[in-house]
Amino acid sequence: GAVVSQHPSRVICKSGTSVKIECRSLDFQATTMFWYRQFPKQSLMLMATSNEGSKATYEQGVEKDKFLINHASLTLSTLTVTSAHPEDSSFYICSAASWTDGYTFGSGTRLTVV
Amino acid sequence: QKEVEQDPGPLSVPEGAIVSLNCTYSNSAFQYFMWYRQYSRKGPELLMYTYSSGNKEDGRFTAQVDKSSKYISLFIRDSQPSDSATYLCAMSKQETSGSRLTFGEGTQLTVNP
Repeated sequence: GAVVSQHPSRVICKSGTSVKIECRSLDFQATTMFWYRQFPKQSLMLMATSNEGSKATYEQGVEKDKFLINHASLTLSTLTVTSAHPEDSSFYICSAASWTDGYTFGSGTRLTVV
Repeated sequence: QKEVEQDPGPLSVPEGAIVSLNCTYSNSAFQYFMWYRQYSRKGPELLMYTYSSGNKEDGRFTAQVDKSSKYISLFIRDSQPSDSATYLCAMSKQETSGSRLTFGEGTQLTVNP
């Protein structure tokens, strides 16, 4: 089946620094990629939707200058959390969508900002 | 009001029990329904995908959709400790891969040996 690789699985960074999370579809081309944020014991909250080669569409309340999304190819999307602060600590999950394989999720990245 | 309502539980059952998980939704535009299983600190994995009203079975799992009542269910037969996870219902308005998913809150299930 379809596989989405998300790295890193866990990252700890200092407040004020930037962190990049990578999401890669390994055996299929993703027409669309989604980025979610999940707080403990809560459901997934959609942050943004991105299509290859175009700007991401951000959900209401999500700061596009803080959460930079790049979708350079049909197999790779990155989320950069810029000038991270402790309140950005969360579990970030990507999902890659394709016509043939539906929605496939990455394994998630646990970000801790200290 | 949330578009998708799901009882967060927690739900605790003995091994071998039949588990029933449910979601209701308010928007009749939802046409495609999914159930995901999420283990702690992992991404969700797809269990079932359904479109039409009725039942769909896959091994120990049965997904049920009742569009007239805007109600979907997931049944797990002969539950196992390895089924302990959070179960998320999700739905979309279109079949296209670019259509966003709307998730329920997730139900935390524990199957006790």
